[in-house]
Amino acid sequence: GEDVEQSLFLSVREGDSSVINCTYTDSSSTYLYWYKQEPGAGLQLLTYIFSNMDMKQDQRLTVLLNKKDKHLSLRIADTQTGDSAIYFCAESIPLGKLSFGAGTTVTVRA
Amino acid sequence: DTAVSQTPKYLVTQMGNDKSIKCEQNLGHDTMYWYKQDSKKFLKIMFSYNNKELIINETVPNRFSPKSPDKAHLNLHINSLELGDSAVYFCASSQSDQPQHFGDGTRLSIL
Repeated sequence: GEDVEQSLFLSVREGDSSVINCTYTDSSSTYLYWYKQEPGAGLQLLTYIFSNMDMKQDQRLTVLLNKKDKHLSLRIADTQTGDSAIYFCAESIPLGKLSFGAGTTVTVRA
Repeated sequence: DTAVSQTPKYLVTQMGNDKSIKCEQNLGHDTMYWYKQDSKKFLKIMFSYNNKELIINETVPNRFSPKSPDKAHLNLHINSLELGDSAVYFCASSQSDQPQHFGDGTRLSIL
């Protein structure tokens, strides 16, 4: 999506932290999302943050939101091989549409 | 048990044929969506229905026609299939503007 940008690839060693970054454009977005897609599978809602929050933590996942810079990040602590997937950042735009980034392919190496 | 289910999971057909993909959700949501994911994994919304009423219709060819018989179902019919229609089609649902939950996708291949 041209309105949501994220880096395409990330390689991380097992046990390290992964950080995936995303920038978006619509300042009126109500929610911002992270979806995970494993090979050949559907989209799994990983986590989301309401636009009036700065941070949300859910077990190994930490979402940071900088509204001023329109920057969203997802940190995965203690990255495991099962975390290898494509991670999509998405913003909610009017009428309930989601605008997705192109996805970041995360590869976890031993 | 499955929250958003789509059938079929795989669809292989010839150019020019007409095909349908079905979607059902048992989450009690009032809004359903169709998205298309192309070969580069880019996801784009196609349609959205709220309580059986069409609310989003992106610039999608007329060959694509969604139908919502009730708020738990949203089907997608495609006429005169073309090579460029090859993609993964995802159904999703939400309660109004709450987070959207996706199905496992239908992988459509046109020969």
